[in-house]
Amino acid sequence: DGGITQSPKYLFRKEGQNVTLSCEQNLNHDAMYWYRQDPGQGLRLIYYSQIVNDFQKGDIAEGYSVSREKKESFPLTVTSAQKNPTAFYLCASRQSGETQYFGPGTRLLVL
Amino acid sequence: AQSVAQPEDQVNVAEGNPLTVKCTYSVSGNPYLFWYVQYPNRGLQFLLKYITGDNLVKGSYGFEAEFNKSQTSFHLKKPSALVSDSALYFCAVRRSSGTYKYIFGTGTRLKVLA
Repeated sequence: DGGITQSPKYLFRKEGQNVTLSCEQNLNHDAMYWYRQDPGQGLRLIYYSQIVNDFQKGDIAEGYSVSREKKESFPLTVTSAQKNPTAFYLCASRQSGETQYFGPGTRLLVL
Repeated sequence: AQSVAQPEDQVNVAEGNPLTVKCTYSVSGNPYLFWYVQYPNRGLQFLLKYITGDNLVKGSYGFEAEFNKSQTSFHLKKPSALVSDSALYFCAVRRSSGTYKYIFGTGTRLKVLA
């Protein structure tokens, strides 16, 4: 999973609670991405960031927020507005080449 | 709009036989195409990509894929399947200009039978 760490591996959310998923990379990559994976639906883009202090909404950004204060970090917050948060969340990074490299993922479950 | 189709949810193949996992795409302009593999509860691992040049691309673990512009396809192939190849395979596409968004297919589960 090449220099990208995600924590925790499993995360439990209670009703009305915001939770934050961590993504850190030591690859010195400029771009970072967050995807959500649901069975049978492939990966869907939540947010992406090309450089520090800048990020764009993906296809399913509602109920999520991100920040990019440091090059190596791109945390994702799942807010209480996200009514169906149970999924596998994947972080990826990319340098000037076209290949994305993925972290090991965080599985979010609702209590 | 960009899109990727993986028409088979699952592909079964006997060990030692050739395997093919299909992918077709739709994108305006020139495509960048990728294959990734995912093992249970893990992240995606990069297998190979087509950016430009030779239409036949060779990648990791003996996999290869052929870019066919007229058929808008990028099928993944391997001459001789291994049981350890059993996993979930994703095709992805990105337009060569104007966006850094990647679109993924829904995945194909490959099962190699001993």
